[in-house]
Amino acid sequence: AQSVAQPEDQVNVAEGNPLTVKCTYSVSGNPYLFWYVQYPNRGLQFLLKYITGDNLVKGSYGFEAEFNKSQTSFHLKKPSALVSDSALYFCAVRDVYRDDKIIFGKGTRLHILP
Amino acid sequence: ETGVTQSPTHLIKTRGQQVTLRCSSQSGHNTVSWYQQALGQGPQFIFQYYREEENGRGNFPPRFSGLQFPNYSSELNVNALELDDSALYLCASSPKDLGETQYFGPGTRLLVL
Repeated sequence: AQSVAQPEDQVNVAEGNPLTVKCTYSVSGNPYLFWYVQYPNRGLQFLLKYITGDNLVKGSYGFEAEFNKSQTSFHLKKPSALVSDSALYFCAVRDVYRDDKIIFGKGTRLHILP
Repeated sequence: ETGVTQSPTHLIKTRGQQVTLRCSSQSGHNTVSWYQQALGQGPQFIFQYYREEENGRGNFPPRFSGLQFPNYSSELNVNALELDDSALYLCASSPKDLGETQYFGPGTRLLVL
């Protein structure tokens, strides 16, 4: 069965420092991996995805993610954090070979400290 | 902002009632998926509609049902509401191609008393 795990409930980073939000996955077949962000009282906003190709994926708002097949990881990164990056981040895998649903991790709350 | 819209934004119902939530998909998208996000949890897949037919379903009981219309908009209906149905309901639209991104609407927050 497809699944994703986000091992950290919360990550605290000082403004201007690099940030990493961790995600590991378990899939059968080629993974379709996504990162979404959710601000308070809002829906989910798409950040980036990995389907195939370059292992380093660049997305919105300066975020990027590194796909590592051997470690089955897809960590979200940003070189320099902004206070406005504070939000809830979800890693997800899309089950394209069955019912096309997106399976979400439980989310990681990112706090950027001024 | 995506082109996916949902109505209403908030809703309060009592246990045992029925509710209908609505979603308009982004232009050019023919697939709509519905998710339930309980407080403090990640979204859980309810079902997906493609060309007006259910195309996949998560672990939700039959009292959760849906429709998709020829213009690709969609409804989520929940009968016999229970307290645990209180959640944020999200719809997402996408083209029906492998790997295409699902774009989410702002959600409908349902409170069941």
